[in-house]
Amino acid sequence: AQKVTQAQTEISVVEKEDVTLDCVYETRDTTYYLFWYKQPPSGELVFLIRRNSFDEQNEISGRYSWNFQKSTSSFNFTITASQVVDSAVYFCALSATSGTYKYIFGTGTRLKVLA
Amino acid sequence: ETGVTQSPTHLIKTRGQQVTLRCSSQSGHNTVSWYQQALGQGPQFIFQYYREEENGRGNFPPRFSGLQFPNYSSELNVNALELDDSALYLCASSSDTPSGANVLTFGAGSRLTVL
Repeated sequence: AQKVTQAQTEISVVEKEDVTLDCVYETRDTTYYLFWYKQPPSGELVFLIRRNSFDEQNEISGRYSWNFQKSTSSFNFTITASQVVDSAVYFCALSATSGTYKYIFGTGTRLKVLA
Repeated sequence: ETGVTQSPTHLIKTRGQQVTLRCSSQSGHNTVSWYQQALGQGPQFIFQYYREEENGRGNFPPRFSGLQFPNYSSELNVNALELDDSALYLCASSSDTPSGANVLTFGAGSRLTVL
C-alpha cells in the first residue's frame, strides 16, 4: 500500500527563521514520483517540485530546498529565511510513474510565519 | 495562459440532493482529475478523465460520477448527498506529454456544505 506521512500538523516560526517540513512515504513501487504543493488560504494547490525516484540529488530553488533520501523514504522541504508570505498548508504527495497518475497526499503541515 | 477554473466556488445543499460541479482545464491540458478534501485533511483522489473516458478511480461510491467534454472541461456529479460529502472539491488538469504527464495544476475548488 502507498502512504505519505506528514507528522507535523502545525509549525509556527518567526520571520527569517529556517524551517523544515518532514515527509515520509511508503510504496512498493521501484519507480515513483514525489511532490510538494503549497495551499494558501485561497484554496488552490500550487506546485512546488516533482522528484523522480531515480534522482536523489537535492534541489535548491531560491529560499526553498528539498532533501530526498530513499534510504529513509523521506523527502523533506526546507524554507530558509522564512517570510510571512510562506504561511500556508504544505502537502507532500506520492504518484506512480505510469497509468493513472493519482496522487497520494499526506495530511499536510500548516506553517505559520509570524512577523 | 489561463489556469484551472471551477464553479461554483461555494454551495449549500441538503441531504439527499444532487450536485454538479464544473471545471475548465488549463489551456493545453487534456486530462482532468477530481479530488475531495475534507477539512484538515489531504486531498483524496476521486477519479481521472482522459479523452472523455474515466481511466482511474479512487475509493468512492458510484454516486460520484463524472464527465469530460471534447473541450476537456469536466463535471463532477454527486447524487444522494450525505453529510460526509461536505468538503472542498478540487479539480486538476495535466497534459499527456512525458514531462508534464503527472504534474497537476489545481483549481481553487468548490466548497460544498451538506446540511
